[in-house]
Amino acid sequence: GESVGLHLPTLSVQEGDNSIINCAYSNSASDYFIWYKQESGKGPQFIIDIRSNMDKRQGQRVTVLLNKTVKHLSLQIAATQPGDSAVYFCAENISNQGGSEKLVFGKGTKLTVNP
Amino acid sequence: NAGVTQTPKFQVLKTGQSMTLQCAQDMNHEYMSWYRQDPGMGLRLIHYSVGAGITDQGEVPNGYNVSRSTTEDFPLRLLSAAPSQTSVYFCASSYSWTGKNGYTFGSGTRLTVV
Repeated sequence: GESVGLHLPTLSVQEGDNSIINCAYSNSASDYFIWYKQESGKGPQFIIDIRSNMDKRQGQRVTVLLNKTVKHLSLQIAATQPGDSAVYFCAENISNQGGSEKLVFGKGTKLTVNP
Repeated sequence: NAGVTQTPKFQVLKTGQSMTLQCAQDMNHEYMSWYRQDPGMGLRLIHYSVGAGITDQGEVPNGYNVSRSTTEDFPLRLLSAAPSQTSVYFCASSYSWTGKNGYTFGSGTRLTVV
């Protein structure tokens, strides 16, 4: 079946270090991926996305890398700050037979930034 | 801009009771969906709608009904609540049904069924 998962459920880093959060996906036909950040008590918030025709996309302090060969996605956060502490989800866009599409989310990685 | 508004924020139900979780968006988004979030399970899709009058099932639809009579509203109904439906529920909307513009999520409804 289709699934999106994460290699590490928790990640602890020191403030100022770079963080790398990993994600594996199983559907080779998925053509779009999104990273979401969820702070405690809030809904997920869009961070960055990437289409399958790209292997790298950069935002402000964040970079997403896509390796379609091994079906792996990563989120890199530069100079991690205490405000980055949250749960991070990857999601893949899957097309249904009927033509509609849906996002399937991974289980999430909890990032803790230590001062 | 209110974005996606969910009500109530918290709810406690007894087993067998019914209720409706409300979701409204003011961004004229065509696509709306409901997810439930359980510890260690991530977000799982319950139902979704690609436009007014059109709904479809997600991964875990059993025990839930939806309707989409207007573009703005997408209520989720629990017909007979069960303890297994204790969860945090999120409503999300997107400009296009392809999902390729990212979703805007509501702040969630925390439901406890006793």
